[in-house]
Amino acid sequence: SYVLTQPPSVSVAPGETATVTCGGDNIRGKSVSWYQQKPGQAPVLVIYYDIDRPSGIPDRFSGSNSGSTAATLTISRVEAGDEADYYCQVWYSSSDQPVFGGGTKLTVL
Amino acid sequence: QVTLKESGPVLVKPTETLTLTCTVSGFSLTNSRMGVSWIRQPPGKALEWLAYIFSDDKKSFRASLKSRLTISKDTSRSQVVLTMTNMEPVDTATYYCARVNLYPGSSWAYYFDYWGQGTVVPISS
Repeated sequence: SYVLTQPPSVSVAPGETATVTCGGDNIRGKSVSWYQQKPGQAPVLVIYYDIDRPSGIPDRFSGSNSGSTAATLTISRVEAGDEADYYCQVWYSSSDQPVFGGGTKLTVL
Repeated sequence: QVTLKESGPVLVKPTETLTLTCTVSGFSLTNSRMGVSWIRQPPGKALEWLAYIFSDDKKSFRASLKSRLTISKDTSRSQVVLTMTNMEPVDTATYYCARVNLYPGSSWAYYFDYWGQGTVVPISS
């Protein structure tokens, strides 16, 4: 089975840049999506196909998957409202099934 | 406007079978690029994919739960139904349905673009 590894937590001050990583074997060859989940709410898609943003998602959110071992979600000019859990996800072709990372809690200091 | 809404029992007893219904609107279950998936989240834990179904009736299940899960769709009623047998307290979770979409021009880049609000399913005697 395929495993996605995320750091349990990331902390950042308001106005700074937050980076959340998602590691997996040969992840560069996969399409990575990212979801934001605030307490008590359903997840919301913020990045898909590595770098695309759905309409309504601020351009402060960006994705990258050009590294050798990890994809990244970058949130620029972090706001208090960005505090949430963030999950990465890929579709594992070998099993034709989706896989989620363990999630990263973003804390805005 | 795309929406998905889960419905199901407010409480399930151990050993019982859980039946959840996802009613969708704003898109058709006959769309060849789209499917519907069930995902659950135990309290304080991560998202866990359970199953999906596509327009051509292609289905897949989480390996560890495959023997307990079934999924079906009623296109005319725009509904997808998930059943899970022999429920246990560890199955207590919020259960979400989500639309699976395929990136244009790709045959493998699937993602979940719309989610239901979720339904909390406690398992207790």
